Amino acid sequence: AAGVIQSPRHLIKEKRETATLKCYPIPRHDTVYWYQQGPGQDPQFLISFYEKMQSDKGSIPDRFSAQQFSDYHSELNMSSLELGDSALYFCASSPPWTSRNSGANVLTFGAGSRLTVL
Amino acid sequence: EDQVTQSPEALRLQEGESSSLNCSYTVSGLRGLFWYRQDPGKGPEFLFTLYSAGEEKEKERLKATLTKKESFLHITAPKPEDSATYLCAVQGKTSYDKVIFGPGTSLSVIP
Repeated sequence: AAGVIQSPRHLIKEKRETATLKCYPIPRHDTVYWYQQGPGQDPQFLISFYEKMQSDKGSIPDRFSAQQFSDYHSELNMSSLELGDSALYFCASSPPWTSRNSGANVLTFGAGSRLTVL
Repeated sequence: EDQVTQSPEALRLQEGESSSLNCSYTVSGLRGLFWYRQDPGKGPEFLFTLYSAGEEKEKERLKATLTKKESFLHITAPKPEDSATYLCAVQGKTSYDKVIFGPGTSLSVIP
């Protein structure tokens, strides 16, 4: 079965540089989520998109932006990178509202993109 | 604001030694409580969704239960391959899609 595809898997950047992460959700999933996970930390919710519109926003820095495109893939753009941005970035997707029980979102996660800022 | 705490932070069990992991949550109307398993360097893998107090779900050696304030993940006769971090997450009714994760319990099962 197709899974959530993230690219690149590894990324090394210098401070103040820009990085872009891509996420391709499971086919027919219409909601995409971005999470940041630092070493030994729990996944922190950054932002979510439903049908190309931002649906919820978490602890996403102003230096970060994201969008969902017409083919439902999503990109997370990170600018003015700082050392503290080094983390695993996970994308997840969930099926349409019509197939959810009580509206609860079962998330399927990708393998993650590991960003290292030097 | 929705919050999730988990205990213990780490748990070390002998193979076959049953135990329980705790998840305490605060949410404005529960849409769903989730359990995920995460192996090092990998994305969380879905285990269960619980929707209302009193509900229970089972999968192999795992059983999840839910009360109005807590959820427990019971592990019966664990095997070394059950070693992982177990994450609890909640989705409240005041947000549209936001799913908040707890800090997780790191489980090690020793042969």
